[in-house]
Amino acid sequence: GAGVSQSPSNKVTEKGKDVELRCDPISGHTALYWYRQRLGQGLEFLIYFQGNSAPDKSGLPSDRFSAERTGESVSTLTIQRTQQEDSAVYLCASSRPGGSGYGYTFGSGTRLTVV
Amino acid sequence: QQQVKQSPQSLIVQKGGISIINCAYENTAFDYFPWYQQFPGKGPALLIAIRPDVSEKKEGRFTISFNKSAKQFSLHIMDSQPGDSATYFCAASMSYGFQKLVFGTGTRLLVSP
Repeated sequence: GAGVSQSPSNKVTEKGKDVELRCDPISGHTALYWYRQRLGQGLEFLIYFQGNSAPDKSGLPSDRFSAERTGESVSTLTIQRTQQEDSAVYLCASSRPGGSGYGYTFGSGTRLTVV
Repeated sequence: QQQVKQSPQSLIVQKGGISIINCAYENTAFDYFPWYQQFPGKGPALLIAIRPDVSEKKEGRFTISFNKSAKQFSLHIMDSQPGDSATYFCAASMSYGFQKLVFGTGTRLLVSP
């Protein structure tokens, strides 16, 4: 597609429920990244996929967070047993082969609110 | 060593003035330094980027100045306009291999009319 597409754009969930956030990267972008942005805060790295290599999961805050990617296409970020501190905007980005040295294209994010 | 420190946290500039945002890094292996602009409700968008083989890059009203020895780089917005009001993030990475961008904490810029 023309840009990075994320869905849903907004999600309100009850504490303790599981949520799935979806990211559809730009076609041909082999690298895909998830970041979290709390209100008024910077960008917190979560996980990074590069082609068929093992993902870099070093930013996942707890074992309640996981992500998958099917080949070089769609990625899903799953948060299990959501907590109020998980409330944030979850941003997905993709980049060309070669990784971050070519810059990221971000989606508009999914705003997650845990009540 | 992976951190990128950004200042100021917020900035108010009058229309027509110069906005200056500064960043510093520790990792000398970083060789790609982009700036992102984020409007409310949107994802960050790449604004301008520099590599350390040059000390300055200019695109329209936006200029990056890069000081390799000091491990600092800055964004200058000339003739600032109200439409420039946004949050700006600096970032850094190694451009080879499978590396991720490390972002600064952001600067909220308000350009007053």
